[in-house]
Amino acid sequence: DAGVTQSPTHLIKTRGQQVTLRCSPKSGHDTVSWYQQALGQGPQFIFQYYEEEERQRGNFPDRFSGHQFPNYSSELNVNALLLGDSALYLCASSRREFTGELFFGEGSRLTVL
Amino acid sequence: SQQGEEDPQALSIQEGENATMNCSYKTSINNLQWYRQNSGRGLVHLILIRSNEREKHSGRLRVTLDTSKKSSSLLITASRAADTASYFCAPISSGSARQLTFGSGTQLTVLP
Repeated sequence: DAGVTQSPTHLIKTRGQQVTLRCSPKSGHDTVSWYQQALGQGPQFIFQYYEEEERQRGNFPDRFSGHQFPNYSSELNVNALLLGDSALYLCASSRREFTGELFFGEGSRLTVL
Repeated sequence: SQQGEEDPQALSIQEGENATMNCSYKTSINNLQWYRQNSGRGLVHLILIRSNEREKHSGRLRVTLDTSKKSSSLLITASRAADTASYFCAPISSGSARQLTFGSGTQLTVLP
C-alpha cells in the first residue's frame, strides 16, 4: 500500500517564477492538506482540499493556489515566487471521516534564489 | 484550530536515558496527537490520546493528558540514537478536526 507520494523532491527556482508541486494521497484517502515548513519551524497550514474544492485555508496569500483531481491527487501552485517561499512543502492525506491521524509525504524542498 | 506549544525547544540526552517533552494548549480539545519528524523528512504520526483518556502507551512511548491543566507530555523510555528527531503535538478541538496546527516542536538529540 503506497503512502503519500510527492514530487518533485527538490527544486530550485528564481524570484518571480512559478512552481507546481504534486501529491498523491494514501490509498483510500480523499482529503489532501498542504503545509509549508520553513527551516527550524513547525509546519504551517496552507489549505485543504476534498471533493475537488478548497475547504479550509490558512493565512497564505492568493499567490498560493491549489487543485484536486477526481482521483484525489492534488497540486499546489505558487506564483511570483519570493525568497521567503523557500521551504519544505508537505502534503498530508486523510479520510473525509477524519479520525485524527494525518499521513504525510516526504515533502518537496523548494529553494528560491 | 489551535496550536500546541512544545517545551523544551531542545533536549539533549544520552542513549538509554528517558526523554520527556511537554505540550500546552489553550482551549478544550477532543483529542491530542503527537508526531515525529526526522530532519528534512515528513511527519510521522506517533500516538493519539482522546480527551477522556489520561494515559496511553505505545511501545516505548507514554503519553499523558491533563485536561484541567491543558497539557500533555510525551515520554520516550530507553532512548536510542534513532529517536533523534523533532517532536510536535497537535491539539484537536471540535469543528477543527480537519486542520492540524503545529508549534515549533521539541528538537530531541540522543547522543550515542
